[in-house]
Amino acid sequence: DIQMTQSPSTLSASVGDRVTITCRASQSISSWLAWYQHKPGKAPRLLISKASNLENGVPSRFSGSGSGTEFTLTINSLQPDDFATYHCQQYSSYVYTFGQGTKLQIK
Amino acid sequence: QVQLEESGPGLVKPSETLSLTCTVSGGPTRSYYWSWIRQPPGKGLEWIGYIYHSGTTDHNPSLKSRVSISLDTSKNQFSLKLSSVTAADTAVYYCARRRGDDWYFDLWGRGTPVSVSS
Repeated sequence: DIQMTQSPSTLSASVGDRVTITCRASQSISSWLAWYQHKPGKAPRLLISKASNLENGVPSRFSGSGSGTEFTLTINSLQPDDFATYHCQQYSSYVYTFGQGTKLQIK
Repeated sequence: QVQLEESGPGLVKPSETLSLTCTVSGGPTRSYYWSWIRQPPGKGLEWIGYIYHSGTTDHNPSLKSRVSISLDTSKNQFSLKLSSVTAADTAVYYCARRRGDDWYFDLWGRGTPVSVSS
């Protein structure tokens, strides 16, 4: 299986900050990467597909980039609603695998 | 607006079968792949398997042959059975929707916690 490694595991930031979360794949996955936002007790929400395609309704402060083995999720001008856990998922291989998650918390 | 909701026992005894149901409301089950995903405490998400509206299924090989997924289109529900459970199967279980040509999950349920304990 393709292993996905996210960093950092926890990220402390303030409202208005710009933050970046990294996801690395154990082998090339081209651009077959999705990002999800997950808040406690809520359903995970798809933010980005194909590494950089923003889903309808997702604020433009979210952006994704990368290809091959290294990917980033960037959130510009953090809003209070953005504090959550973020997961990456590769879908290059049919055994879809996820990163371990990055918890974005208020500093 | 399509919504997914998981239901089932929150406690299962070791060696028994875990059974969960996902109810799809606000939309049809055809033309999608319906998946189960879980997250053990302190770990990342793990894809369990899916069923297509045609009845085709597939599952994560790591779970060997313990997984069975079925679909009841008349009730707009799909179900997961995981046999011979151990403490390692303790997790929050999510149902999710995958579009046909896209292998990511565009809609999820809130998840239901399942603990395996005697």
